[in-house]
Parts: sequence; structure tokens; C-alpha cells
Amino acid sequence: QSALTQPRSLSGSPGQSVTISCSGSSIDVGSYNYVSWYQQGPGKAPRLIISDVTKRPSGVPARFSGSKSGTSASLTISGLLAEDEADYYCFSYAGSYTWVFGGGTKLTVL
Amino acid sequence: EVQLVESGGGVVQPGGSLRLSCEASGFSFSEHGMSWVRQAPGKGLEWISLISGSGGDRKYADSVRGRFTISRDNSRQIAYLQMSDLRVEDTAVYFCARDPWLAIQMWLYFDSWGQGTQVTVSS
Repeated sequence: QSALTQPRSLSGSPGQSVTISCSGSSIDVGSYNYVSWYQQGPGKAPRLIISDVTKRPSGVPARFSGSKSGTSASLTISGLLAEDEADYYCFSYAGSYTWVFGGGTKLTVL
Repeated sequence: EVQLVESGGGVVQPGGSLRLSCEASGFSFSEHGMSWVRQAPGKGLEWISLISGSGGDRKYADSVRGRFTISRDNSRQIAYLQMSDLRVEDTAVYFCARDPWLAIQMWLYFDSWGQGTQVTVSS
């Protein structure tokens, strides 16, 4: 159950778009469309922002979108806002009824 | 409003035991699976255990299998994590999280989270 690979940090200016990658393998991301994404502010609980690769829960702005290609999933944040500064984690089914998170990406809004 | 409140954390010596609780309100508890997810200091999230809505099905990460036991009391709307043979590397904030389904599904995700409880394993 190795963690999925995410960039440790990314940055962007307000209004820009940023894409956070989540690299897995053929036993997890590559085999299932069961990737979700979570946003975690400092000292806070995680919050679901994308489920099933592309689905946005109600209340999550349309600026957040998800996609997948092969063994990698991505989270794109368009029109970056200062409030988007947080840690972001991907999460995927990894087979045999186990699940794995990515290592997390710290997003800084410049 | 969905609320999940964890409790039971604290400081324990290596080899010791601790039981965490997750008290739920604002939804039909028995209709949802519940997980425990932990976060070591300065580190990322780690899924460690899941229990189905009925309590009849349970899953564990390799890192805790055989040492931790997840359970639930639907009459009291509480999920538990019994932790034994604790190790220094179990030191983390432990979150409980709700998923949308009664039965365990491969397409697991978490739509509500508690604020977490700190567990420190130290001599």
C-alpha cells in the first residue's frame, strides 16, 4: 500500500490555473475510476472536493475539476483565489479492499 | 447538520492501548460506513480502517491489521477504534470520516470528517 505520488508543493498567482498531479500504478489509479480529492487547511479537517475522478459535491465551486489519464489523476483549480491555499490529497482504491492517499501537495497562492 | 466528534486521544507508552470514539449526529448513522484516517505530525493522510453501516464488514490497512479493531454501536451512534500494541509510529491525529454507503464499496470516499483527536505514543 504505497502512497500515491504528488508534487510536494506548487504555487500560483491569483487568477491563474494550477494542476496537481497524482501518480499511481496499474493496481490503483490505473485500474479504477475511484479517485477522490480532499482540501485541508492548516489545523483543519480535510474536505471532499472531488469524488469518482470528476464529480464535484454540492457547494464545491466549479473552479475545481478532476480528470484521469492512465495511471495518473489530476486536480485543476482555475481562477485561483487566496482561500485556495491549502494542502491537497488524492485518494484511490488500491485493490483487495484497501485504499491509499497521495502524499499531499501544499498549494501556495502568491 | 452532520457532526462527527472524536475523543479518547492522549499520551500512551509503547505497547499500550487506547480506545478512540467518534460520536455522530445529524444523520442516520447506521446507513453509513465509517472510517478512521490518521495524520502523523507534518505528514500526509493515511487511511487505516473502515466499517460498514451494519458493522458486519471491516477492513484494515496493513500497518494496523492485527493491532487495531474498528467497531460501532449504532444504538448510540458511536464508532470506535481500539488500538493495542501501540508504537511510536502510531503517533498522529486520528480523524473519523463518513462515507455515503451502507455497505463497503471499492468507490470509497469521505463526505464528512471530524476534527480529529491526538494520539501520542512515547515513553
